[in-house]
Amino acid sequence: EVQLLESGGGLVQPGGSLRLSCEASGFTFSTYAMNWVRQAPGKGLEWVSAISGRGDRTFYADSVKGRFTISRDNSENTMSLQMEALRDEDTAVYYCAKDVSHSCSSACQIEYWGQGTLVTVSS
Amino acid sequence: QSVLTQPPSASGTPGQRVTISCSGSNSNIGSNYVYWYQQLPGTAPKLLIYMNNQRPSGVPDRFSGSKSGTSASLAISGLRSEDEADYYCAAWDDSLRGVLFGGGTRVTVL
Repeated sequence: EVQLLESGGGLVQPGGSLRLSCEASGFTFSTYAMNWVRQAPGKGLEWVSAISGRGDRTFYADSVKGRFTISRDNSENTMSLQMEALRDEDTAVYYCAKDVSHSCSSACQIEYWGQGTLVTVSS
Repeated sequence: QSVLTQPPSASGTPGQRVTISCSGSNSNIGSNYVYWYQQLPGTAPKLLIYMNNQRPSGVPDRFSGSKSGTSASLAISGLRSEDEADYYCAAWDDSLRGVLFGGGTRVTVL
């Protein structure tokens, strides 16, 4: 059974930094691309970033490009999202999500979701 | 504003058929698979339909997906109270090099 467990959320001031982690189990982690998707309170889903199975290809939404960095450690079955220069509009539940493909070579396509971790950016 | 356009709401009585549309463009729905997700209140999204019209194991055959050109649809037949949820379409966009989600459709069972 695929399990994705996010951690690292919390309250941070505007301009601050936060690092989210996702621990994966139940599948061969290095074989699949992984994604981060967020959902602001009462709003819809917004894709944030993706990383290939080997970690050699990364993708970002324009809204976070240059501020967020996605990474993975296949030896630990973990993925991370380093978030810098946080803004009020980054407040959301952040979901870790497993992709169907290995590298998103033609497309990223989300299959499984974690339960999410809440990030609140506020002074 | 979402690039994939969904109606904000849909409703029906138990047993009825409800259809949700998802409109995009050549760079997303027109050239890539469409996925549908169900988000029950207070929970994480769950995959409902993949590759336009395929159901993962465990998803009832009351749920069906279709795609034509730059639009896609999700149909729920035999509507049940437990189908009350938010439904999202999604597709990769070749121009943006990212996943696009629709704005979501809230289904209410009257």
